Amino acid sequence: SAVISQKPSRDICQRGTSLTIQCQVDSQVTMMFWYRQQPGQSLTLIATANQGSEATYESGFVIDKFPISRPNLTFSTLTVSNMSPEDSSIYLCSVGTASGNTIYFGEGSWLTVV
Amino acid sequence: AQTVTQSQPEMSVQEAETVTLSCTYDTSESNYYLFWYKQPPSRQMILVIRQEAYKQQNATENRFSVNFQKAAKSFSLKISDSQLGDTAMYFCAFIRSGDKLTFGTGTRLAVRP
Repeated sequence: SAVISQKPSRDICQRGTSLTIQCQVDSQVTMMFWYRQQPGQSLTLIATANQGSEATYESGFVIDKFPISRPNLTFSTLTVSNMSPEDSSIYLCSVGTASGNTIYFGEGSWLTVV
Repeated sequence: AQTVTQSQPEMSVQEAETVTLSCTYDTSESNYYLFWYKQPPSRQMILVIRQEAYKQQNATENRFSVNFQKAAKSFSLKISDSQLGDTAMYFCAFIRSGDKLTFGTGTRLAVRP
């Protein structure tokens, strides 16, 4: 399994600001994903981070609100833009094995917007 | 589209006893993978156990085992000798190779001392 590090682990953010979450993997991986988990809910996929090209967003998520970068096979960032209290969630980075049949998760970034 | 259903929002078990968490899924695929993830209060998603659909043998990992019934599309998790550290949310999940994970709504398990 891969070791996945996320920063920050927790943050309290002001309404209207933006925050960038970093995800670092200890090995090269083909598939990287970003999930959101709202309080008391299950996980929802935001987007697939594609190396060298634009991320693939799921329905209900747009690039202007959640810009994603993936400059190489070990690193990705997710920015939550113009935050509102509704964006208070845990954001999780995840990676897939080469075969694409197992997904591992980072520790998550717990954002509270006030 | 695939769906995953966890019909037990909350479960409780006495320490050292056995508990079974239920999961059903719906898919038209024949080749896929099923998982149980544990999410303790720290919020990290931890992979507990994994089952390949093409394998008839049920997966086991120490105190954790599954009962995989492919025809019934059922995938339950049995936790034996429950420990206080097993207290967590448990999510059942499904994936086709190379596709995205589909999660159930989760079961909150409390282990009583």
